[in-house]
Amino acid sequence: IAGITQAPTSQILAAGRRMTLRCTQDMRHNAMYWYRQDLGLGLRLIHYSNTAGTTGKGEVPDGYSVSRANTDDFPLTLASAVPSQTSVYFCASRPTGKSRYGYTFGSGTRLTVV
Amino acid sequence: GENVEQHPSTLSVQEGDSAVIKCTYSDSASNYFPWYKQELGKRPQLIIDIRSNVGEKKDQRIAVTLNKTAKHFSLHITETQPEDSAVYFCAASMVDTGFQKLVFGTGTRLLVSP
Repeated sequence: IAGITQAPTSQILAAGRRMTLRCTQDMRHNAMYWYRQDLGLGLRLIHYSNTAGTTGKGEVPDGYSVSRANTDDFPLTLASAVPSQTSVYFCASRPTGKSRYGYTFGSGTRLTVV
Repeated sequence: GENVEQHPSTLSVQEGDSAVIKCTYSDSASNYFPWYKQELGKRPQLIIDIRSNVGEKKDQRIAVTLNKTAKHFSLHITETQPEDSAVYFCAASMVDTGFQKLVFGTGTRLLVSP
């Protein structure tokens, strides 16, 4: 693994089903984020984590949950998918520290809920 | 919380012309302003950033300016080339309960015609 990896690349999911999007990084970044990208709305923050064991809610957290059991992994779970959750999902990470703010993004997961 | 507005939503220029994308932010405490380029089907990638103690930063054909008093910042691309065609996102940092997060603008689709 080099950088930040997301899986799956794309998925078609029936409404009401449960789905976990995976995100793994090998850069030892403490901070991790999940964004969704929708046309005309840019990137909106779903959940974030400052360090292993802590998580927080972003701008659009409803219908999503996250966990951060260790530094490397930050999975995003849709407990019961709905069509409005059709989107492209990006995971991102960054090193913490006052002078180091740049995000590194994963390649994204395109999710279609039908 | 922070709100970031970005204009224009689309921008068409001829190869060799300059392109300017403007963003405004609401939180005067924001201190970090990155710009991301996203090519079709790809992840956002950081192209340039500026911190609040700097008014302008240049990197070859791209530059960013920041006016803290007016709470706006701009991306300038000179001598545009077809490969500059992409969606560009501005962002501003916000600190919530001691944790830094980026709030993104809604994006500008830049089309550079040969």
